[in-house]
Amino acid sequence: AQTVTQSQPEMSVQEAETVTLSCTYDTSESDYYLFWYKQPPSRQMILVIRQEAYKQQNATENRFSVNFQKAAKSFSLKISDSQLGDAAMYFCAYRSYYTGANSKLTFGKGITLSVRP
Amino acid sequence: DAGVTQSPTHLIKTRGQQVTLRCSPKSGHDTVSWYQQALGQGPQFIFQYYEEEERQRGNFPDRFSGHQFPNYSSELNVNALLLGDSALYLCASSAHRDSGTNEKLFFGSGTQLSVL
Repeated sequence: AQTVTQSQPEMSVQEAETVTLSCTYDTSESDYYLFWYKQPPSRQMILVIRQEAYKQQNATENRFSVNFQKAAKSFSLKISDSQLGDAAMYFCAYRSYYTGANSKLTFGKGITLSVRP
Repeated sequence: DAGVTQSPTHLIKTRGQQVTLRCSPKSGHDTVSWYQQALGQGPQFIFQYYEEEERQRGNFPDRFSGHQFPNYSSELNVNALLLGDSALYLCASSAHRDSGTNEKLFFGSGTQLSVL
């Protein structure tokens, strides 16, 4: 079974600064997908960024980028130029490549990010 | 275009009662998954429905059951409620034709269930 670990329960960043959220995972599979989701107070999970394990290039989406280290099973999220609207819970998630389309996500416990004005 | 809608938004029940939660998927989606998110935890997969059948199931007891209707909407039923069933229940939808990299999962805002 796969596990996802987010060991930092909370982090804080100054507006306009950069922050990195950490995530490690454990799997015996060689192909899989990794995700970062944002959950604001509205409770709706919003996809921030996705990484395919077979791609060596780190994914980027505007101010969001990842550092994917497959051998170390590490998947961190970097938020640049932090904005007040980035304040939320962030979840790291894993999905198997082999169990077919629309397979389940395994989530970490999440990290609460606060942004100081 | 409405996204994933869930009802009700909040619910209070007593131990031993039964509850039904509802989910309407995003337009064009035919697959619905349910997740349980306890306070301070990440969501945990309950099960997934496609073509009106349960396709995958997480580590949840038989007290948790579901249904999918021909219009792709879905219900989650929980029998004999326990205090530990208090959680946010999230519904997510996707299109079965999309697989792998093309898959896009959309979540609703959840139903907050409190069991007293």
